[in-house]
Order: sequence, then C-alpha cells, then structure tokens
Amino acid sequence: EDKVVQSPLSLVVHEGDTVTLNCSYEVTNFRSLLWYKQEKKAPTFLFMLTSSGIEKKSGRLSSILDKKELFSILNITATQTGDSAIYLCAVLNNAGNMLTFGGGTRLMVKP
Amino acid sequence: GAGVSQSPSNKVTEKGKDVELRCDPISGHTALYWYRQRLGQGLEFLIYFQGNSAPDKSGLPSDRFSAERTGESVSTLTIQRTQQEDSAVYLCASRQGAGLGTQYFGPGTRLLVL
Repeated sequence: EDKVVQSPLSLVVHEGDTVTLNCSYEVTNFRSLLWYKQEKKAPTFLFMLTSSGIEKKSGRLSSILDKKELFSILNITATQTGDSAIYLCAVLNNAGNMLTFGGGTRLMVKP
Repeated sequence: GAGVSQSPSNKVTEKGKDVELRCDPISGHTALYWYRQRLGQGLEFLIYFQGNSAPDKSGLPSDRFSAERTGESVSTLTIQRTQQEDSAVYLCASRQGAGLGTQYFGPGTRLLVL
C-alpha cells in the first residue's frame, strides 16, 4: 500500500526562523510529489516535483526531491505569521490515477 | 465500472458559454474531489464533497464555478461564462472515507475555451 509520511507533526517557531518540513514516501510507480499549504480553507498548490535534485523556489519557499532516498523537503526561510498553516505532501503515481496525501505538518509561526 | 469515470473526455467551447463536467466516482466512495491542472502545472484543489455536502468551496476560482453532488454518487462541475483561462484538464477523484488519504482519479476532462 502506498504510504506518505510527513514530519514533524507540528512545529512552533518565531518569525524570522527557517524551517524544514519533511516528506518521505513509499509509492509504487512514482510520478511526482506535490506540496500544498492549507489554512482555514482549501489546500493551495505550492510545488510539483518530478525530477530528483532540482530545487523549485517561490519567494521564501523552496523544495527539493530525492528519488533515490524517497523523500522531499520544503524549506521556508524568514518565516512570517502568515506562513502558519498545515503543509501537505502528496504523491501521484505513474498512471496518474492515484494521489496519496501525508498527514501534514502543522506549522505555527509566532510573532 | 470499477474506477472513476468522467465525461466528456474532451470539450471545446467558445468563450462565454457554459459547460458542465460530470464525474462518476467509485461505487461506495463517500468523498469526491475536483482538481484542475493547467498545462505543465500541479493539481489545483477546487472542491471536495463528503457525501452530498461540500464543506469547503474556497478553492473554486470564481463565482462562475459551481459543483453539486447527488445521491452520494455523481457530481457535476459547472463553469458559467467560460473564459480562456479556464482551459485545463479537470480531474475528479474519489475516496472511501473522510480526509485526504489516498484518492483515485478519473481520466479527466480536457477543456479548451476558444
């Protein structure tokens, strides 16, 4: 059975800190890994990673995939209170017909 | 059928027209999700149903988008007054229980707005 595990479960930091969120997976026939941010509403798409070792960056957020070790990290630098959310990792299988979500990491950024 | 099915598989429409996309989830799956995928981009979450209710509609891009589900089965996604930026593949997924977990996708509807 496909499995996606995120760590830590929750994290409390102060504004300006840098955080690293982890996502490991065991998926048959991997196609891509996706990161989402979920506040009090629907998840919003952040990144899609398909190739190993290529960093994707958007402002203070960046992510990279390691297909050999089967994990991805999401980095947030200079955190702000608006970064407080649940960050979700999901893996899409090669056939594109199955998307498995991890349990999420709840990030709280204190002023 | 055994999997999630969607219809039509392709739809070409003129700007300003309304379109209706249909999703038949796996039988017995209580949760149903709609996503949009633009060319070369990731899956954008639009809306999900638990049973016939949609607890959260905040992912819908604008008030031109609406969705409903009946009989805890078929769902329709309606886009009114289509715009060119609505062109994308619209994917439906279903899941047996609540939460995000593992979702099973249909083949998608490729929408092109001219």
